[in-house]
Amino acid sequence: KAGVTQTPRYLIKTRGQQVTLSCSPISGHRSVSWYQQTPGQGLQFLFEYFSETQRNKGNFPGRFSGRQFSNSRSEMNVSTLELGDSALYLCASSSTRQGSGYTFGSGTRLTVV
Amino acid sequence: DQQVKQNSPSLSVQEGRISILNCDYTNSMFDYFLWYKKYPAEGPTFLISISSIKDKNEDGRFTVFLNKSAKHLSLHIVPSQPGDSAVYFCAASDGGSGGSNYKLTFGKGTLLTVNP
Repeated sequence: KAGVTQTPRYLIKTRGQQVTLSCSPISGHRSVSWYQQTPGQGLQFLFEYFSETQRNKGNFPGRFSGRQFSNSRSEMNVSTLELGDSALYLCASSSTRQGSGYTFGSGTRLTVV
Repeated sequence: DQQVKQNSPSLSVQEGRISILNCDYTNSMFDYFLWYKKYPAEGPTFLISISSIKDKNEDGRFTVFLNKSAKHLSLHIVPSQPGDSAVYFCAASDGGSGGSNYKLTFGKGTLLTVNP
């Protein structure tokens, strides 16, 4: 059974640019969540999508956005990149069974220069 | 305001002994707690979870204990193995409608090193 796939694995962008990250969840999982991991802040929740609808949103500025497609694949976009956006961005998919936990992808390492 | 705290950034134990990882939380609305393990350059891997209506859940070498009155949970690994060396994250969810996987709040992690 294929896991959660994130592309690309590594990305270098310049301040002011925008970036789009992609996530393919485990087959059959309809919930997709995104997290940002930085050394100082740990793992922070960005947003969660279920059946193409954003169901939860974390405390990030509007420059961070996402969407989910009918096949449950998800993308997140960051516009007007800042140096502080450099982080590991993790996507996770989940079934709806309580306590089942997320399955995370390996992440996209974004570096903003 | 950190709602989930892992106060020990690191822990070192000998192979075969018990590892105890601790986590404290402040939000009494949390109804599910989960532990994840993370190796470098990989995403976190789900280990074990516990509902707030329970005080213990066991899965093989891993046991999670929940003390609701103290708002404290712990992960016990017995016996510890060198392959357990990783960063362990505690996470909590306030569930929303019908699920435990929504909007997890993570602690900052504890690096466990198991020495052969």
